[in-house]
Amino acid sequence: KNEVEQSPQNLTAQEGEFITINCSYSVGISALHWLQQHPGGGIVSLFMLSSGKKKHGRLIATINIQEKHSSLHITASHPRDSAVYICAVNSNTNAGKSTFGDGTTLTVKP
Amino acid sequence: GAVVSQHPSRVICKSGTSVKIECRSLDFQATTMFWYRQFPKQSLMLMATSNEGSKATYEQGVEKDKFLINHASLTLSTLTVTSAHPEDSSFYICSARGLAGFYGYTFGSGTRLTVV
Repeated sequence: KNEVEQSPQNLTAQEGEFITINCSYSVGISALHWLQQHPGGGIVSLFMLSSGKKKHGRLIATINIQEKHSSLHITASHPRDSAVYICAVNSNTNAGKSTFGDGTTLTVKP
Repeated sequence: GAVVSQHPSRVICKSGTSVKIECRSLDFQATTMFWYRQFPKQSLMLMATSNEGSKATYEQGVEKDKFLINHASLTLSTLTVTSAHPEDSSFYICSARGLAGFYGYTFGSGTRLTVV
């Protein structure tokens, strides 16, 4: 079992729909990241969380430390949101190395 | 906020040549730099960890003589792929951790290496 599990693996939505991507982890963490990777490969760091909730534009990230779970929400989705979304955690016991989920491939259709 | 600049974003090189990838922390001091690699349809995997001024620690299966890491200053770390082969074609990304907790774990944007 991976230390970081993401769901769903693939997600197709219509433009305007509300999107939720989930991330569960099994280790104690100091921080959790949500990353966005476009087809060209470049990665954009969307959020870094250690507790609570963060919002940036149409993106919202939440984390529940007790349940070891985080969600990334996209409101009013748009085709340009199509990308791979990756959850990464920094364990609080392994010198800060990041462990990555397998990613969720999101396709938003117009 | 903390920014890590990674260059180049894409590089194509001939088999047998060496390629250098740079990661610079622009507004904080990166005491630790992590280098990751991603093969097609796989997760990012840690290659090595480097602390400023000391030798890098490589993960099992990563050849230290092939992937040279230099972290000579608190704002710059480099990964050099030596004698590159087509199987080294991959996506490489760095992550930096700074002195203060807030600046921990900032990711570069990645480098797509293609060896022909």
